[in-house]
Amino acid sequence: DQQVKQNSPSLSVQEGRISILNCDYTNSMFDYFLWYKKYPAEGPTFLISISSIKDKNEDGRFTVFLNKSAKHLSLHIVPSQPGDSAVYFCAAQTGANNLFFGTGTRLTVIP
Amino acid sequence: GAVVSQHPSRVICKSGTSVKIECRSLDFQATTMFWYRQFPKKSLMLMATSNEGSKATYEQGVEKDKFLINHASLTLSTLTVTSAHPEDSSFYICSARERATDTQYFGPGTRLTVL
Repeated sequence: DQQVKQNSPSLSVQEGRISILNCDYTNSMFDYFLWYKKYPAEGPTFLISISSIKDKNEDGRFTVFLNKSAKHLSLHIVPSQPGDSAVYFCAAQTGANNLFFGTGTRLTVIP
Repeated sequence: GAVVSQHPSRVICKSGTSVKIECRSLDFQATTMFWYRQFPKKSLMLMATSNEGSKATYEQGVEKDKFLINHASLTLSTLTVTSAHPEDSSFYICSARERATDTQYFGPGTRLTVL
C-alpha cells in the first residue's frame, strides 16, 4: 500500500506563476520529508527537504510546507521557469532509513 | 555536487543469464546504498539496503538469492540479477547516502530488458 501519495500525475503552469505540488502520507512515524526532481533519462536529484519539527523550509524559489495534522506537504515553486519542467517526487522516511516515494507529478511550465 | 553513477545504463540479456549492475558514488563515501526498482506508473520500490562490509537487508517479497547485492567498499555496490526472466525487466535505480551529510543521492538508473 502506498504510504506516500501524489494524487496529481501532472500539472501545467504558466511561466512566472506559482507551481504547487502536493503530497500526502499515511505513516505518522515519518520524520523527514524530501522532494526530488527528475529529468528524463536521469535519476532523481535531491531538491529540498524538511524535518517534521518544522512546518516550512525555503530555498530560493522553492519552499516546502508541512502540515503534520493533515499528513500533507507541498512544494511551491515561484516564479516557475521552463527549466523547472520535470517529474517531482516527494519522499518520506523514518529515522535515517529508506525512503518511501510517491509516484511523482509531472510539471510542465509553459513559456 | 555529489554524483552517483550506474553501469550499464541499459542492458538486454537472454532469459536465464545473470546481469550485474554497478552503483558507484563518485566523489563521496556512501555508508549505505539502496537499490530500487521502478514499475510503470508506480513509485520506486525499495528492494534492499546494503551497508558497506555487511550483508544486505532485503525487503519483504524480494528474493535475496535472485537479487545478489554486494557492497564491497564505501563507493561501490553491485546488484546481480541471477537467472533473469522477462518479468525482471525493469528500471533499477540505486542511491547512496553520503556519510558526511546523510543526504541520499540517486543514480541515473539501469534499464534491464530480459528477452
